[in-house]
Amino acid sequence: NAGVTQTPKFQVLKTGQSMTLQCAQDMNHEYMSWYRQDPGMGLRLIHYSVGAGITDQGEVPNGYNVSRSTTEDFPLRLLSAAPSQTSVYFCASSYSSIAGTNYGYTFGSGTRLTVV
Amino acid sequence: LAKTTQPISMDSYEGQEVNITCSHNNIATNDYITWYQQFPSQGPRFIIQGYKTKVTNEVASLFIPADRKSSTLSLPRVSLSDTAVYYCLVGDGRSPSGTYKYIFGTGTRLKVLA
Repeated sequence: NAGVTQTPKFQVLKTGQSMTLQCAQDMNHEYMSWYRQDPGMGLRLIHYSVGAGITDQGEVPNGYNVSRSTTEDFPLRLLSAAPSQTSVYFCASSYSSIAGTNYGYTFGSGTRLTVV
Repeated sequence: LAKTTQPISMDSYEGQEVNITCSHNNIATNDYITWYQQFPSQGPRFIIQGYKTKVTNEVASLFIPADRKSSTLSLPRVSLSDTAVYYCLVGDGRSPSGTYKYIFGTGTRLKVLA
């Protein structure tokens, strides 16, 4: 059982480049989220999804796009990388109640992104 | 908005019981309270989840009073390897689209001393 798989693990981008961070889960979880964590800081919510075809913005959505075409995959796209986006990005998934609440996340191991 | 408030840091000695309290005054009626542990350079790890009263598993206990406006994570007999950041997490209310989003607070940095 792979859980939540994030690729790549490390990435260096030049300012202005675009890229997609991949996230896949094999637990049939409805709820998926992307967080970023800057050095020594807490986690901030970028975007989240409660099911295929449904996405919503978190605390810091600017500069990022997401889509959810399948239950398993939730890619995060950086449109035009900036040094302020240097961070560790975590993808997480969980089962969701009928009311839409979260039954506890499983996190991926993260993608360390540096923008120069 | 179900903002959470926790102590920024705590120190404890090996073998002691550690209790970390989280305040979540505006928790939604149908939402759960979940606690996570995070080590440096790793993603958070689920510890325990509860809705009301007391929940216990092999690593921790979670105490939730009747009004659910706070919760306490209890770690029995901590060891050096329990040094980590601990987060409580509840839903941040419904978005305009009707979905619940989950926003982490600052967490509590627990340092276990020998």
